[in-house]
Amino acid sequence: DAGVTQSPTHLIKTRGQQVTLRCSPISGHKSVSWYQQVLGQGPQFIFQYYEKEERGRGNFPDRFSARQFPNYSSELNVNALLLGDSALYLCASSFPWTGGTDTQYFGPGTRLTVL
Amino acid sequence: AQTVTQSQPEMSVQEAETVTLSCTYDTSENNYYLFWYKQPPSRQMILVIRQEAYKQQNATENRFSVNFQKAAKSFSLKISDSQLGDTAMYFCAFMAMDRDDKIIFGKGTRLHILP
Repeated sequence: DAGVTQSPTHLIKTRGQQVTLRCSPISGHKSVSWYQQVLGQGPQFIFQYYEKEERGRGNFPDRFSARQFPNYSSELNVNALLLGDSALYLCASSFPWTGGTDTQYFGPGTRLTVL
Repeated sequence: AQTVTQSQPEMSVQEAETVTLSCTYDTSENNYYLFWYKQPPSRQMILVIRQEAYKQQNATENRFSVNFQKAAKSFSLKISDSQLGDTAMYFCAFMAMDRDDKIIFGKGTRLHILP
């Protein structure tokens, strides 16, 4: 089975621009989470979407938004890019079930560089 | 708020040796998961091992085992018979059960396995 896929692999933008990152979860997984990993740090949670609804949100400004589609794929949008948004953006999928949440499996990430 | 602390930024060991990576965490939750994730230079985050807090038995996965001390809020990873392919960044991580899928990561330990 294919793992979590993300596109694009790399992206270069300039300050003030907007960017959209895409994620396809593992087949059968209904939950998608987004993380930002700044160089040299651990990933930080941005959003979780389950069954097309936002289930969790991290401490990120409103410039960050996301959505999930009926096929459970997801997009992360970042508006008004800042230099500090340069990071590896990771997507993770899981299959939550009643009683708990399952292990998250990560995609390869999208490397965003803001100039 | 939960925190995860990894006190060893970088470690090096000879191939075939055993190495232990340290992790402490802080939480007021009773039910949670703890993880060790591995991120090789290729950057794909891979789950190494997972521990449910309600289980007293320490998790093991082949050469990888943990020492889970719930009262002390300690969760160390032991890698036995280390291999060159174990070279990677290792992240200790926490997730509360029955909440959103927010994983809280430590800052990581960079592990070098030397030939």
